[in-house]
Amino acid sequence: RKEVEQDPGPFNVPEGATVAFNCTYSNSASQSFFWYRQDCRKEPKLLMSVYSSGNEDGRFTAQLNRASQYISLLIRDSKLSDSATYLCVVSLGGFQKLVFGTGTRLLVSP
Amino acid sequence: DVKVTQSSRYLVKRTGEKVFLECVQDMDHENMFWYRQDPGLGLRLIYFSYDVKMKEKGDIPEGYSVSREKKERFSLILESASTNQTSMYLCASGDRLEKLFFGSGTQLSVL
Repeated sequence: RKEVEQDPGPFNVPEGATVAFNCTYSNSASQSFFWYRQDCRKEPKLLMSVYSSGNEDGRFTAQLNRASQYISLLIRDSKLSDSATYLCVVSLGGFQKLVFGTGTRLLVSP
Repeated sequence: DVKVTQSSRYLVKRTGEKVFLECVQDMDHENMFWYRQDPGLGLRLIYFSYDVKMKEKGDIPEGYSVSREKKERFSLILESASTNQTSMYLCASGDRLEKLFFGSGTQLSVL
């Protein structure tokens, strides 16, 4: 089993839709969790950290479910500009233990 | 605004050449990283450095070396480039909260 698994997609949604991605992780000792966004042929950029209590940033909501070992990202009112690949990142503690998922591709259409 | 700058966006090299990839950050971060990204494999850590002149191997260090002579600069060296090192190379620096800031990447092709 991979350490961090994501559905590669693509998820095709119309503008204005709500879409959610999950990311599962295998190590129950994982401590830190992040979502990064990567546009085509560009570098990953931090979207948000994921806290135990869940957190929201505008149209984006991230949640952590330790019991089932997954994190989720919910995007409300999708925009064309949300089209990108979303990378899940999990850490066992310390930079050298950051593990990247292979990403979920989102395509938002008019 | 945070900035990580990689010296080249695209590079084409021949098998056996020595290749230098340079990275500079302006955030005064102690931690710097080199990753490679390949389709279907995600980002894999090659080397990282947590201080000047300090380096640690990542998951795939074979065929690579690094140099960190100054805090803001972290170089990746391919001693003898091979075709299986054709990839996107991403440099990053990291803050104390484990957040990474990436450069725009170098697409290296080894022929």
